[in-house]
Amino acid sequence: DTGVSQDPRHKITKRGQNVTFRCDPISEHNRLYWYRQTLGQGPEFLTYFQNEAQLEKSRLLSDRFSAERPKGSFSTLEIQRTEQGDSAMYLCASRLQGSPTPLHFGNGTRLTVT
Amino acid sequence: DQQVKQNSPSLSVQEGRISILNCDYTNSMFDYFLWYKKYPAEGPTFLISISSIKDKNEDGRFTVFLNKSAKHLSLHIVPSQPGDSAVYFCAASVGGSGNTPLVFGKGTRLSVIA
Repeated sequence: DTGVSQDPRHKITKRGQNVTFRCDPISEHNRLYWYRQTLGQGPEFLTYFQNEAQLEKSRLLSDRFSAERPKGSFSTLEIQRTEQGDSAMYLCASRLQGSPTPLHFGNGTRLTVT
Repeated sequence: DQQVKQNSPSLSVQEGRISILNCDYTNSMFDYFLWYKKYPAEGPTFLISISSIKDKNEDGRFTVFLNKSAKHLSLHIVPSQPGDSAVYFCAASVGGSGNTPLVFGKGTRLSVIA
């Protein structure tokens, strides 16, 4: 169990630029989740996948955000035309559907939009 | 509309004493509850969970109590240790064992003073 891996750990970008984050879940986990956390708040759900299918998207996920999990393994989260309000910690988590195991989180990607 | 509320942003406890962290929820459909601990620059790590069919679950120094009629749960840490200093998040889901995306509270920062 190598844990959930996220890359990069930190990203600084200028407003208007596009950014992409990657998440590698625990290998046997078929469910993968993206959350966002801002200062003083708990993690907020963005979207999740079961294998390669995107099953749910939060209303927080604007049209500028897109997530993929093309082969049911790693996932990417892209933010287009970044805004200062996108500055946050983006957390990825995974679990095995059908088992009672809880969500396992990665250490996140901290995005700063200047 | 916050469905999971942690009304105490912070708590200080002396080493060796009991820490009690509280959480309230509004959605009566929630039937699975979890506590996560988060250190700075790391993702949340799972601590303990409880299903709505139980009113208590214990794991070593950590005990979670659930009062369904009051829509309230609490986490007890006995005895508290300096390494327990972290932010604690309460989370909830519908459908048992986290089948729906977790909804998190804003967290309580616990400081255990030696």
